Amino acid sequence: QSALTQPASVSGSPGQSITISCTGTSSDVGAYNFVAWYQQHPGKAPKLMISDVSNRPSGVSNRFSGSKSGNTASLTISGLQAEDEADYYCSSYTTSNLRVFGGGTKLTVL
Amino acid sequence: EVQLVESGGGLVQPGGSLRLSCAASGFSFSTYWMTWVRQAPGKGLEWVASIKEDGSEKRYVGSVKGRLTISRDNAKNSLYLQINSLRAEDTAVYYCARNRGSTLPEDWGQGTLVTVSS
Repeated sequence: QSALTQPASVSGSPGQSITISCTGTSSDVGAYNFVAWYQQHPGKAPKLMISDVSNRPSGVSNRFSGSKSGNTASLTISGLQAEDEADYYCSSYTTSNLRVFGGGTKLTVL
Repeated sequence: EVQLVESGGGLVQPGGSLRLSCAASGFSFSTYWMTWVRQAPGKGLEWVASIKEDGSEKRYVGSVKGRLTISRDNAKNSLYLQINSLRAEDTAVYYCARNRGSTLPEDWGQGTLVTVSS
């Protein structure tokens, strides 16, 4: 199972919006609405930010939103804040009943 | 509060074995699927294995099948990962996670570092 494809890095200024893409195949992202997004700060454990394409767990800011079209999922962060600077990983359930992660995207807040 | 505390990591020689543990508290351990995810230094996350609530079903990423074994002891609220024939590419922080459903890691521990080197 190959990793999902994410851009290595994205950047934005405070207050702006950014979008991170996550491209898979018809065997993972395109197969189910089971895409999740995680945020990871350096030296910390990942934190679940979005599940099932667009659902935010309790406590996650509504500045974070998710969507999907075909084999590509996206995470949008609006009103960028300094604390949003982190690595972001997408993840999808697969037709093999397994889970696969993306390679990760480093978000820099300028 | 959900707490997951991993232990058992360390420096191991190539070809050796290691058993990682994850002590769970703050929730009904026996009613959740559990997962191990690893992260090599400076690299991304890799889903490794998941185990059903009662241990009757186990799922592994293809690259580790045969060398890694996930198990659990519900009486002890503990999750385990046995790693055999360790290779340099097994060097990583290993995270224990509580799942939402069968494969979505939701709550994570802080991880334990495994270093494979001679």
